[in-house]
Amino acid sequence: RKEVEQDPGPFNVPEGATVAFNCTYSNSASQSFFWYRQDCRKEPKLLMSVYSSGNEDGRFTAQLNRASQYISLLIRDSKLSDSATYLCVVNIDYKLSFGAGTTVTVRA
Amino acid sequence: SQTIHQWPATLVQPVGSPLSLECTVEGTSNPNLYWYRQAAGRGLQLLFYSVGIGQISSEVPQNLSASRPQDRQFILSSKKLLLSDSGFYLCAWSVVGSVAKNIQYFGAGTRLSVL
Repeated sequence: RKEVEQDPGPFNVPEGATVAFNCTYSNSASQSFFWYRQDCRKEPKLLMSVYSSGNEDGRFTAQLNRASQYISLLIRDSKLSDSATYLCVVNIDYKLSFGAGTTVTVRA
Repeated sequence: SQTIHQWPATLVQPVGSPLSLECTVEGTSNPNLYWYRQAAGRGLQLLFYSVGIGQISSEVPQNLSASRPQDRQFILSSKKLLLSDSGFYLCAWSVVGSVAKNIQYFGAGTRLSVL
């Protein structure tokens, strides 16, 4: 079983739409959680950390459900520049485990 | 501010040739350092990590090795490349001591093609 599983998508949405997706993780000892964004052929960049209470960063909202071991990301008012692959990441000690990513394409 | 440098950006190597990829971090001391590989359409796979000079932990047995000769330098090597070594290699760093948070920052990556 993969440590982090994500729906690969793609999610094709029009500008202005809301898109949401999630991931599940297998290790209940995971300590911290993140969403990274990866553009085509580029390195991953931190989008946001995910906290148990849920947190927002502008148009992005992340939620964590430790009991069910899943993490979600919601993007409101999608922009063309939001087109990317979103990586779900969990941390245990020094090690990050990455999902394979969910691809989002925002169309004009 | 901290920066991470990785080179080369692109590399094409024949099977059986050696490999050396270098990563350096500026603006911080004693970082945790990591090497990942990303195969096409796949997630990142942790290859090695280091919490200090000369301290290397290997995650996956394979045709690669890593060294940390200086505090902010991390090198990925191979004596003989295989076709399966092709991929996108990424170096990353994080602040030491932040085990619970462990936010990692990535270099621009090296795209390796073994032919």
